[in-house]
Amino acid sequence: GAGVSQSPSNKVTEKGKDVELRCDPISGHTALYWYRQSLGQGLEFLIYFQGNSAPDKSGLPSDRFSAERTGGSVSTLTIQRTQQEDSAVYLCASSLYGYTFGSGTRLTVV
Amino acid sequence: KQEVTQIPAALSVPEGENLVLNCSFTDSAIYNLQWFRQDPGKGLTSLLLIQSSQREQTSGRLNASLDKSSGRSTLYIAASQPGDSATYLCAVPLGGGSQGNLIFGKGTKLSVKP
Repeated sequence: GAGVSQSPSNKVTEKGKDVELRCDPISGHTALYWYRQSLGQGLEFLIYFQGNSAPDKSGLPSDRFSAERTGGSVSTLTIQRTQQEDSAVYLCASSLYGYTFGSGTRLTVV
Repeated sequence: KQEVTQIPAALSVPEGENLVLNCSFTDSAIYNLQWFRQDPGKGLTSLLLIQSSQREQTSGRLNASLDKSSGRSTLYIAASQPGDSATYLCAVPLGGGSQGNLIFGKGTKLSVKP
């Protein structure tokens, strides 16, 4: 596609439920990243996929967070047993030379 | 450890002014530097990408310069307009390559008054 596509754009979930966030990167971009941005805060790195290499998971805040990238393309970020502090905008980006970000998924845990 | 700092944190100017946003980074071994714009509640829009071998990049009223040796980049906005109001972020890839975790500054929140 022309840009990085994220879905859903908004998600409201109850505390304790699992959620899945989807990212469809730009075709041909070898690298894919997940960041999150809490209200009024900067961007927090979560995870980075590069080609077929093992992902860099160093930013995942707890073992409730996981992500996969299937076929080197679409990625899914899963948050299990959501907590209120997980409420944030989750941003996906892909890159070849420069980085292109999606519009984000706004997650609200109530 | 790479750290990116942006000054000022916030800036308010009247419409029509030329302005400069500053970005500094502690490790000069960067592959490139990218400037982004973020509107409230939105994702990031890429403005300019400067490779380490370049001194500047221009797009319309925007001009970004890079001085790797001093660890600085500036974003110059000419003839500012209310539509330029947004948060401006600079970022460099960690590790000196073209890809990798992007290290962001905290941003400059720009407000252009009509």
